[in-house]
Amino acid sequence: GQQVMQIPQYQHVQEGEDFTTYCNSSTTLSNIQWYKQRPGGHPVFLIQLVKSGEVKKQKRLTFQFGEAKKNSSLHITATQTTDVGTYFCAGVTMNSGYSTLTFGKGTMLLVSP
Amino acid sequence: DGGITQSPKYLFRKEGQNVTLSCEQNLNHDAMYWYRQDPGQGLRLIYYSQIVNDFQKGDIAEGYSVSREKKESFPLTVTSAQKNPTAFYLCASTGGGFTGELFFGEGSRLTVL
Repeated sequence: GQQVMQIPQYQHVQEGEDFTTYCNSSTTLSNIQWYKQRPGGHPVFLIQLVKSGEVKKQKRLTFQFGEAKKNSSLHITATQTTDVGTYFCAGVTMNSGYSTLTFGKGTMLLVSP
Repeated sequence: DGGITQSPKYLFRKEGQNVTLSCEQNLNHDAMYWYRQDPGQGLRLIYYSQIVNDFQKGDIAEGYSVSREKKESFPLTVTSAQKNPTAFYLCASTGGGFTGELFFGEGSRLTVL
């Protein structure tokens, strides 16, 4: 079945440093979604990428979807303590009219002040 | 305010007991989902329902059961057949199947003693 690998599993940075998490799929994706889960909270949708090579920005967050639609990345510039949490990618595949969504295991980000 | 309500937030049960987790949404979404989250793991799909009176097994359905008698409600029963039920359970809904943004409830943390 479809697999979505996410690395790193964990990263600890100093406030102000940059952070990147990478997501790789074993199959070509229809689209990819990113979610953030704060400690003790529930996942919250950040963004969806659909087009090959797409790049989207949300303030200090930059999301990219690979040309082959098999990988994606989330880059945070100048991290802040409010960025703490686990970031999940979720890949959507379409097969015979049915869609499936598979989550990566997430990257836990810790930011020290 | 529209959203998803899960209850209870915390639940303790003895081994061998069935427990039912409630999930109610007022977003008028057709599709609803149950995920299980374990520490260091991604979200694994238990069951999903695209329409009232219909539901399908996800990746880890064994030991769980659901019903979808009303559009706004999708309760999950964790049966005594589930070998390792202690986990964080998340309910979600979308307006557009798996290709749409997932809206999550705040989760129910089940501990089996």
